Amino acid sequence: GQNIDQPTEMTATEGAIVQINCTYQTSGFNGLFWYQQHAGEAPTFLSYNVLDGLEEKGRFSSFLSRSKGYSYLLLKELQMKDSASYLCAVRDQGGGSYIPTFGRGTSLIVHP
Amino acid sequence: NAGVTQTPKFRVLKTGQSMTLLCAQDMNHEYMYWYRQDPGMGLRLIHYSVGEGTTAKGEVPDGYNVSRLKKQNFLLGLESAAPSQTSVYFCASSYSVGETQYFGPGTRLLVL
Repeated sequence: GQNIDQPTEMTATEGAIVQINCTYQTSGFNGLFWYQQHAGEAPTFLSYNVLDGLEEKGRFSSFLSRSKGYSYLLLKELQMKDSASYLCAVRDQGGGSYIPTFGRGTSLIVHP
Repeated sequence: NAGVTQTPKFRVLKTGQSMTLLCAQDMNHEYMYWYRQDPGMGLRLIHYSVGEGTTAKGEVPDGYNVSRLKKQNFLLGLESAAPSQTSVYFCASSYSVGETQYFGPGTRLLVL
């Protein structure tokens, strides 16, 4: 099985930088996804990491350290529209399923 | 190109009633999934399908049945609804296992 941990809620100020952490314990790590979910809407893909290091995509970056079982999503120049839930999902090859397991999500509130 | 669609968007059931949720995708994806999302619980996998005519159990399959008679459709059935099945149900699809998932808009189900 897997154990995925994310903070439940975070708040930040418009224009600032925020880092959302995700820690995991898994027997056969095979990749980590970040999804964004606005209230009342479907999750949408943000990023994917399978190797250690930083992946940058515009204002959003995602980092992975496989040895530490740790990832973070970095949001720069925060905008009000970034208020959403951010879901970490870990892909595990244990059991042969490879289907990602989702964490409980981090609700980010951006205020003026 | 509609992506992933779900029918209905909202439904109220009485305990013991049955219903079927329909998911359709037009991306020719092999894999399809049904999740439920409850406050504080994240996305939990109910059932999934690796191709037409195949289905498999996920993390929380009890009380649900599924069918994938056509590649583009994945049906989720509740034979005898219970209040514990009040939730938001999301369907998703992916080209292959463990790849980026594309989610439908969700079905809000209330069981009284």
